[in-house]
Amino acid sequence: AQSVAQPEDQVNVAEGNPLTVKCTYSVSGNPYLFWYVQYPNRGLQFLLKYITGDNLVKGSYGFEAEFNKSQTSFHLKKPSALVSDSALYFCAVRDRGAGSYQLTFGKGTKLSVIP
Amino acid sequence: NAGVTQTPKFRVLKTGQSMTLLCAQDMNHEYMYWYRQDPGMGLRLIHYSVGEGTTAKGEVPDGYNVSRLKKQNFLLGLESAAPSQTSVYFCASSYEGSGTRYEQYFGPGTRLTVT
Repeated sequence: AQSVAQPEDQVNVAEGNPLTVKCTYSVSGNPYLFWYVQYPNRGLQFLLKYITGDNLVKGSYGFEAEFNKSQTSFHLKKPSALVSDSALYFCAVRDRGAGSYQLTFGKGTKLSVIP
Repeated sequence: NAGVTQTPKFRVLKTGQSMTLLCAQDMNHEYMYWYRQDPGMGLRLIHYSVGEGTTAKGEVPDGYNVSRLKKQNFLLGLESAAPSQTSVYFCASSYEGSGTRYEQYFGPGTRLTVT
């Protein structure tokens, strides 16, 4: 079974400061990892993914995430937060095994960027 | 491209009533998914389909049925609605063939209330 933990229900950060949203995962094999963002009353938008290669992946809107296999983590980061980054962020994992299509999502972390 | 669309956007049902949610995608994706989102629970997979005419159960399938008669459409049915099915429902699709990008693309959601 695969699972995702987002240990913080809410993260508050001042505009212009760096932000981190934490994610740890558990899969039986090797993972594909994703971050999605959800703005109020909207669907989920894809931000970035780790499939293979460089452990540091860059995505939309200046976000990046680092895959750490030993710590089974995939934390989302941004060097300088914007008020418009305020939203609900979901980490998701998928097992690389053949025939495995299902994404398992974390419970989400609400990011509030304070002006 | 419209991407993934969902019909209706909102619906209120009485306990015991039935309804069908429609998901349509214009990206020629083979794989389609239905999720439900509840506060503090993240997204949970209800059913999914890996191609026209095929369906499979996800994490929380009870009380729901699905059909994939056409590649571009994926229907979610509630035969006898219960208050526990009050939720926001999201449809998603993905391409899994050669050159796959792995991520899923989400619709805007349907907010269902069962009284």
